[in-house]
Amino acid sequence: SQQGEEDPQALSIQEGENATMNCSYKTSINNLQWYRQNSGRGLVHLILIRSNEREKHSGRLRVTLDTSKKSSSLLITASRAADTASYFCATDAEGAQKLVFGQGTRLTINP
Amino acid sequence: EPEVTQTPSHQVTQMGQEVILRCVPISNHLYFYWYRQILGQKVEFLVSFYNNEISEKSEIFDDQFSVERPDGSNFTLKIRSTKLEDSAMYFCASSLLQGRDGYTFGSGTRLTVV
Repeated sequence: SQQGEEDPQALSIQEGENATMNCSYKTSINNLQWYRQNSGRGLVHLILIRSNEREKHSGRLRVTLDTSKKSSSLLITASRAADTASYFCATDAEGAQKLVFGQGTRLTINP
Repeated sequence: EPEVTQTPSHQVTQMGQEVILRCVPISNHLYFYWYRQILGQKVEFLVSFYNNEISEKSEIFDDQFSVERPDGSNFTLKIRSTKLEDSAMYFCASSLLQGRDGYTFGSGTRLTVV
């Protein structure tokens, strides 16, 4: 299975702290993407990192990719209450025409 | 910024009824997808569609499901005879380069089968 697995399943931190979420996968990929989902709402694309990239930044987001370990991490710096959401990694495998999502990390930022 | 639009946002239907979920992908995108998310679970791939035909489908996408691009703008998912376990959030997505540049998801249709 190509499924991504994320940890932790839930993370609760204080506003202003950094939040790190991890994702592991099993097969070769073209790229890995991170999405955010507020409770019961749609998926918002955050960042895409290609298989030949190791690190990418977007605002307060930093994503790393280690293809040798088949893992990725999402770091949110200086967290805000509005960052409270579920975060999913999704892999776009070589030869496939679909994304495979992880179980997600439920992030709670306490004011 | 271009969006993928889904309608309706919420649909309630009786078990056994047919439903059609509608999506308007981004106009210059070539690849279209449906995903679903059962409450509290992860997002699951249903089907991908390119050049007016299904290019890949999951085991979830059985004979009760069908997709269609009836005109140049809409992309629909039909569930012929809904079951209670079809209750989920259904997401439409589109991409230009088969996902190599990322996907744009719609805000979803929450389907409740009663």
